[in-house]
Amino acid sequence: EVHLRQSGGGLVQPGGSLRVSCSASGLIFSNYAMHWVRQAPGKGLEYVSGISSGGGSTYFADSVKGRFTISRDNAKNTLFLQLTSLTIADSAVYYCVQGGTSTNLFLDSWGQGTRVTVSS
Amino acid sequence: SYVLTQPPSVSVAPGQTAIMTCGGDGIGSKSVHWCQQKPGQAPVLVIYYDTDRPSGIPERFSGSNSGNTATLTISRVEAGDEADYYCHVWDSATDLHVFGGGTKLTVL
Repeated sequence: EVHLRQSGGGLVQPGGSLRVSCSASGLIFSNYAMHWVRQAPGKGLEYVSGISSGGGSTYFADSVKGRFTISRDNAKNTLFLQLTSLTIADSAVYYCVQGGTSTNLFLDSWGQGTRVTVSS
Repeated sequence: SYVLTQPPSVSVAPGQTAIMTCGGDGIGSKSVHWCQQKPGQAPVLVIYYDTDRPSGIPERFSGSNSGNTATLTISRVEAGDEADYYCHVWDSATDLHVFGGGTKLTVL
């Protein structure tokens, strides 16, 4: 069974930065694309970013392009999302999601979510 | 960017059939996936590639996709099926995944 354990959320001021992490187990991590999806309070799901299995290709929603960075350490089975220049609109629960063997396949297993709150 | 349209809410009595739609331009040519999100929980994949069910998902859950509409059908609805349901596809024009706005299923 795939298990995605997330960490790193919290409260940050507007303009600040934060890094969220996702540690994976129960799968050969380096075989799978990984993604981040967020959900603002009371809202629906929003795709944020994806990264190919080897880390060579990354994808970002327009709303975060140039501010967020996705990366992975396949040796440590860990996915990261670096959030910078944060605004109130970035406040959300961020989910780590296991994809398929390429980034264009379905979003399979989801982490428990980590809350990011941007507030002064 | 590609837009997916879902009705905000669907209500059904226990034991009846719930039908939730996901509309998109030519969606029948795309692979549609559905996830279920219960209050306070992370989403769970319930249908992938239009019609396939992950292990552990009851046979009561089924999907179809044709033309401009994909459909998630839940037969013999139970109280435990009450949740938000999201369709999603991969948009080849942007290389991004796209979600519908979600449908809240209420079991009366």
